Amino acid sequence: TQLLEQSPQFLSIQEGENLTVYCNSSSVFSSLQWYRQEPGEGPVLLVTVVTGGEVKKLKRLTFQFGDARKDSSLHITAAQPGDTGLYLCAARMNRDDKIIFGKGTRLHILP
Amino acid sequence: NAGVTQTPKFRILKIGQSMTLQCTQDMNHNYMYWYRQDPGMGLKLIYYSVGAGITDKGEVPNGYNVSRSTTEDFPLRLELAAPSQTSVYFCASSPAGTKALFGPGTRLTVL
Repeated sequence: TQLLEQSPQFLSIQEGENLTVYCNSSSVFSSLQWYRQEPGEGPVLLVTVVTGGEVKKLKRLTFQFGDARKDSSLHITAAQPGDTGLYLCAARMNRDDKIIFGKGTRLHILP
Repeated sequence: NAGVTQTPKFRILKIGQSMTLQCTQDMNHNYMYWYRQDPGMGLKLIYYSVGAGITDKGEVPNGYNVSRSTTEDFPLRLELAAPSQTSVYFCASSPAGTKALFGPGTRLTVL
């Protein structure tokens, strides 16, 4: 059973379009992180959200943590080819110190 | 700071052989993690540690062992390599368990 469900698994869109990817669970988390991974490299942290309802912006990327701290979304405005990569959400469980990852959304932005 | 370093970068093992994947961090982080990533997939937690002398199992610990004798080092041991352990292994560290800084990974093939 996958604790963190990410959707969609794959997304291929044209440069300039907007997109949203999702990270959902039935569990409550103390914090949730979004990472971006490029081929042959380790994941790189983009943002951490901690408070239910929290919204954080990183240039054209907007991250939102659900009110109940069970889900999150990543919205990209005016996608660019440089946004291409694997986007992973990860969460720290309330009951222990594990950081668990979802399977990721593989994003491809076409020029 | 060098961050998180992993050695070796690549390794080919025969079935039944043993090896140790090395991981070192110089940021004085208490939390350290070992993940494996199979092709096209997210990361699965193998083992983690919240401080020297303390380790705990993650999602997929079978076939692996770890130790944490110092804050800096967190080696991962494969005792009897199997083809199912072919993967990319990432080590990560975190100051407080809310965000992880990853190493460059070790690509392991078991034939």
